[in-house]
Amino acid sequence: TQLLEQSPQFLSIQEGENLTVYCNSSSVFSSLQWYRQEPGEGPVLLVTVVTGGEVKKLKRLTFQFGDARKDSSLHITAAQPGDTGLYLCAGQYGNKLVFGAGTILRVKS
Amino acid sequence: DSGVTQTPKHLITATGQRVTLRCSPRSGDLSVYWYQQSLDQGLQFLIQYYNGEERAKGNILERFSAQQFPDLHSELNLSSLELGDSALYFCASSVSGSQGTDTQYFGPGTRLTVL
Repeated sequence: TQLLEQSPQFLSIQEGENLTVYCNSSSVFSSLQWYRQEPGEGPVLLVTVVTGGEVKKLKRLTFQFGDARKDSSLHITAAQPGDTGLYLCAGQYGNKLVFGAGTILRVKS
Repeated sequence: DSGVTQTPKHLITATGQRVTLRCSPRSGDLSVYWYQQSLDQGLQFLIQYYNGEERAKGNILERFSAQQFPDLHSELNLSSLELGDSALYFCASSVSGSQGTDTQYFGPGTRLTVL
C-alpha cells in the first residue's frame, strides 16, 4: 500500500490542453514536493510546499497543498510536448521522504 | 547536469554476486541519499548519510549496506543479489540533512540488471 496515492497513473493529451495530477494520503505531511523525471535521468525538484493551503506557480504549472496537508495537486495549463515525463509527488513523513508511484504524462504535438 | 555523479551507469551481474555502486555528491553538499526505483515499487528511499554519519534509514535490505567517506563520496554495497534487485539505483545529495524541505539533487542513476 502506497502512503501517497497519485492519480491518474497515465495521462496522454494533446498539446494545448490543461491537466491536473493529484497526490492524496490519509497521513499529514510536514511538507510536500513535486518532481519531474525524464527517461534515463534522475528526478528534478519542481517545487516544495510547506503550509496548508499554499499555492505556488512555476510558469504554466500551479501547485497546491491541501489545507489539512494530506493532499496536493499539480495543474498544467496549455501543456507542451516538453512537459512529457514522469511526475512524482513526495511527502516528508517523519525524517524520511516518501514518494508516490508517479503519473506518466505524454503530451502529443 | 545536477552535479551529482554516479558510476557505473550500467551493471549486469549474476544472482548471488556482490556489487558496489559509487556516488559523488555536488560540491558543498554534506548529505547523500540512496534510492531504488523499480516498476513495481516506484522510487523507494533506502538510506541517508550526513557528513559521514547515518542519518535515516528506509526500506533497505540487510543484504545492502552503505557508507559515506571523509571526502563525502558514498558507496552502496549490494550482496547476495537476487533477480528482484534489478532496478535503477539513484543517489541524491543536498546541502543539509533535512529531507522534505531541502532540495535534493539526483544523479543519473545506475541501472542494475541481475541475471
